Amino acid sequence: DAGVIQSPRHEVTEMGQEVTLRCKPISGHNSLFWYRQTMMRGLELLIYFNNNVPIDDSGMPEDRFSAKMPNASFSTLKIQPSEPRDSAVYFCASTLRVGAGANVLTFGAGSRLTVL
Amino acid sequence: DAKTTQPTSMDCAEGRAANLPCNHSTISGNEYVYWYRQIHSQGPQYIIHGLKNNETNEMASLIITEDRKSSTLILPHATLRDTAVYYCIPNSGGGADGLTFGKGTHLIIQP
Repeated sequence: DAGVIQSPRHEVTEMGQEVTLRCKPISGHNSLFWYRQTMMRGLELLIYFNNNVPIDDSGMPEDRFSAKMPNASFSTLKIQPSEPRDSAVYFCASTLRVGAGANVLTFGAGSRLTVL
Repeated sequence: DAKTTQPTSMDCAEGRAANLPCNHSTISGNEYVYWYRQIHSQGPQYIIHGLKNNETNEMASLIITEDRKSSTLILPHATLRDTAVYYCIPNSGGGADGLTFGKGTHLIIQP
């Protein structure tokens, strides 16, 4: 099992540019999560999907951020236009949701975004 | 989800047991206690979880007090690779609706 795969691992872009981060969850998992980590705010949940459907996007900072999950094996997080304050490490995680009780999240290695 | 209190940082000598405390006095009856850790520049990693009983796996042991208001994660023989930030996370859905990470404890294993 290759785990949760994120790309790119590092992205440097200029303010105003569009940024697309990608995530491939573990095969068979039915829930996917996008997190953002900064020194100031720590790990924040941005949005999560169940069975490819967005369930809660209340953590998405503003309309510049959007996320999609067109199928069970792929998700994107897009920032358009990007701003320097979007610089952070973005993590994707997945789990097999089995209802009430214990679910274990598996995280990817993260995408480090720097907006100049 | 219940709020947690963890020490900001802790030191432990290599080879000794590392005991990381967590206070979660407002935990509700259906909330599990999860422990994750984050090694520098990596994604968070699941360690262990429990509801009422003590739990042990290949990575660690989890001791939960009888009133469930606090717990202790034990790494029995700490190695330098255990240096990381450790997060204690009470959660009723087990993360199915996402986990809320606090500031955690920065554990530093000293050679």
